[in-house]
Amino acid sequence: DTGVSQNPRHKITKRGQNVTFRCDPISEHNRLYWYRQTLGQGPEFLTYFQNEAQLEKSRLLSDRFSAERPKGSFSTLEIQRTEQGDSAMYLCASSLSGISGELFFGEGSRLTVL
Amino acid sequence: AQSVAQPEDQVNVAEGNPLTVKCTYSVSGNPYLFWYVQYPNRGLQFLLKYITGDNLVKGSYGFEAEFNKSQTSFHLKKPSALVSDSALYFCAVSYKNYGGSQGNLIFGKGTKLSVKP
Repeated sequence: DTGVSQNPRHKITKRGQNVTFRCDPISEHNRLYWYRQTLGQGPEFLTYFQNEAQLEKSRLLSDRFSAERPKGSFSTLEIQRTEQGDSAMYLCASSLSGISGELFFGEGSRLTVL
Repeated sequence: AQSVAQPEDQVNVAEGNPLTVKCTYSVSGNPYLFWYVQYPNRGLQFLLKYITGDNLVKGSYGFEAEFNKSQTSFHLKKPSALVSDSALYFCAVSYKNYGGSQGNLIFGKGTKLSVKP
C-alpha cells in the first residue's frame, strides 16, 4: 500500500529548537496539504501545494513555519524556534486536482515541545 | 467566514440501532460537503461527499448523508450501527473560491461515536 507517508511519526524537542517534518504523498497526486490538529479539535488548514507551487497559506502559518515542495513530489514542513503552543499533530494529505475534496491523509507527525 | 459545526462531542448508540451524527455549515456560495472518519492511531479516511445533484449521498461502510440546503445541514447516518463503527467522525466543507478553483477543507471539531454491543 503506497499511501501518504509522514516522518518522523513522533518528535520531542525543547523550546527554541527547529524541527522538520517530511511528507511523501501518493505518487500520482499533484496536490499536497498540511494541516495541524490539536486534542479535541478538527484539523486546521496550514497550506497547500499544487505541484511545486504553494498556492494558499493560512494565517495560522506564522513566519516561523515554512513549507516546501521543491520538485513537486515530497514536501517538508519546518518550524523554527519552536514554542510549547506548537505541540500538535501535523497532518499531511494529498489529492488529485479536480477530485473535489477527497484527500488522502497520512498518519501524522506528533510534535511535543518541552 | 466559512465554518462547520458538529454540535455533539459524543454520540452513543447500541449495536444494530440507527445512528445519526450531526453537522451544520456556513459557507458563501455552493458548498462542497464531506465526512471523514478517524480510527485510533490511523489517518483520516474519506467516507463520502456531496458536490451537487442528489441530496442523499451514499458512501463507504454503509454510511450515507443527507444534504439539506434550507437547514444548512449534512448529517451522517447509518441504518444499523456496528461496534466497529466506533471512531471519531469529522464533517468538512469546501467551496469554490473567486478563482473558480476549490478552496481548502474546513473541518468541524469532530464527534466521537461509541457503539456498544
